[in-house]
Amino acid sequence: QVQLKETGPGLVQPTQTLSITCTVSGFSLTSYYMQWVRQTPGKGLEWMGFIRSGGSTEYNSEFKSRLSISRDTSKNQVFLKMNSLKTEDTGVYYCARGLAVMGDWGQGVMVTVSS
Amino acid sequence: DVVMTQTPVSLPVSLGGQASISCRSSQSLVHSNGNTYLHWYLQKPGQSPQLLIYRVSNRFSGVPDRFSGSGSGTDFTLKISRVEPEDLGDYYCLQSTHFPYTFGAGTKLELK
Repeated sequence: QVQLKETGPGLVQPTQTLSITCTVSGFSLTSYYMQWVRQTPGKGLEWMGFIRSGGSTEYNSEFKSRLSISRDTSKNQVFLKMNSLKTEDTGVYYCARGLAVMGDWGQGVMVTVSS
Repeated sequence: DVVMTQTPVSLPVSLGGQASISCRSSQSLVHSNGNTYLHWYLQKPGQSPQLLIYRVSNRFSGVPDRFSGSGSGTDFTLKISRVEPEDLGDYYCLQSTHFPYTFGAGTKLELK
C-alpha cells in the first residue's frame, strides 16, 4: 500500500529556512520520481520541483534560487528545503509520486510564515 | 510559463445532472514525443488533490466512468455525468508537457 506523509515545522519566521520531510512506504524511491507541490492563498497550486528516480532534480525557476530537493533512499525520505521565506510562502506543501502525472499525494503539511 | 485558463470559476449543479469544465492552455500541450500531458484533479475540502483523468482522457484507477476527459492541442474538457454528492469540490487541470508544470486556477463544483 502506497503511503506518503509530510512532516514540517508548522510555523517559520520570515527570512528563515523551511525544511519538510516526506516519508514514503509501499514503493522504492529509486523507481519513482517524487514531486513537491504547494497551495497558497495567493497563487493556488504551484509545482515546485521534483527529484528523479536516479537522484537528479528539476526545479521551477520561480523557486530555483532558494529551493533544494534531496532524498535518503535508505530511510525512504524525500526532503524539501527552501530559504529566505516570505509571508507569501504560507500554505500547504504536498509531496506526490509520479513523473508527468502525480497519482499519489501525501496529506500535506500546513506552513505559516510569520513573526 | 504555460498559462492554464479554467472556466467557469464556479459551477452550480443539481445532483444527477451533468457538468462540463473547460481548460485552455496558452500554448499547445502536445509533447515532442506525441503525448499530451493534460490531467484533471479533484480536491475535496480538507483533502489533497486526487487524480481523476491523466493524459487528456484516461481515467485513473478507481475513477468511475461518470468522469470523462477530451480535447487536444490547447482546448480540453472534463465532463461529469450523473453528478453525485462526492463529486463536489474544486477541480483543477494540470499541464506537465512544458516546464514548469502549471495548474489551472480551479473550478468549484457546488450544489445549485
